[in-house]
Amino acid sequence: GENVEQHPSTLSVQEGDSAVIKCTYSDSASNYFPWYKQELGKGPQLIIDIRSNVGEKKDQRIAVTLNKTAKHFSLHITETQPEDSAVYFCAASPNTDKLIFGTGTRLQVFP
Amino acid sequence: KAGVTQTPRYLIKTRGQQVTLSCSPISGHRSVSWYQQTPGQGLQFLFEYFSETQRNKGNFPGRFSGRQFSNSRSEMNVSTLELGDSALYLCASSFFGHNTEAFFGQGTRLTVV
Repeated sequence: GENVEQHPSTLSVQEGDSAVIKCTYSDSASNYFPWYKQELGKGPQLIIDIRSNVGEKKDQRIAVTLNKTAKHFSLHITETQPEDSAVYFCAASPNTDKLIFGTGTRLQVFP
Repeated sequence: KAGVTQTPRYLIKTRGQQVTLSCSPISGHRSVSWYQQTPGQGLQFLFEYFSETQRNKGNFPGRFSGRQFSNSRSEMNVSTLELGDSALYLCASSFFGHNTEAFFGQGTRLTVV
C-alpha cells in the first residue's frame, strides 16, 4: 500500500551543525511533498514544500531535495539553533484526496 | 489573517459517550481534513471535506463521522467512545485539498477514561 518511510526517528546535533532527515515514498504518482515541524503542545506547522517538477527548494536555513527516480526526498537544516528542536514530519500526496505522513523525527539541538 | 481554530482544546470523556469537535478553517479555504495523532500510530487520516462534501475517508470505523457547513466550518463526531480513541485530533485547512498548502490547528486533546 501507500506509505512514507522516515529516518532517523531521533536526531541529536550540536548547535551550529547541520541536520538531515530522509523520507522515501512508495506511490510514484506522488507530486507534492510538504514538511511540517511540530513543537510540544502545538499542531504541525508547514515549514517548506516541494513539487515533483522541482529538484530542490531553499528557504533561508532550510532546504528540501527531491529525487523522483529513487522516490526519496530530504530536509536539510543548516546552522541549527536550539529553537529548531521539535518533531519533523515529511508527507507525500499522490492526489488531491490524500496526504500520507512519515512517522516523524525528533530533532534535538544542544547548545 | 486568522489561522485554523479548533475547539475545545481539551476534553475528558467516559467510555461509551460521544463527542463533537469543531474546526474553523482559514478564511477562503474550502478543504478541511481531520487527522488522529497518537504516539504509536503517528498522524492518521480520518476524512476530508470540500465544499460540504466528503471527498475521501481513511480506515476508521463508522463511529467516526464528520460534516462541513456552508461556511466551511467542520465538525467531527465520535460515538460510543473507547479508551483507544484517546488522541490529539487535528484539522487542517487548504484551498483545494491535500496537494496544496495545508495549515493545521492546535488540535483537540481527547482523553477517554
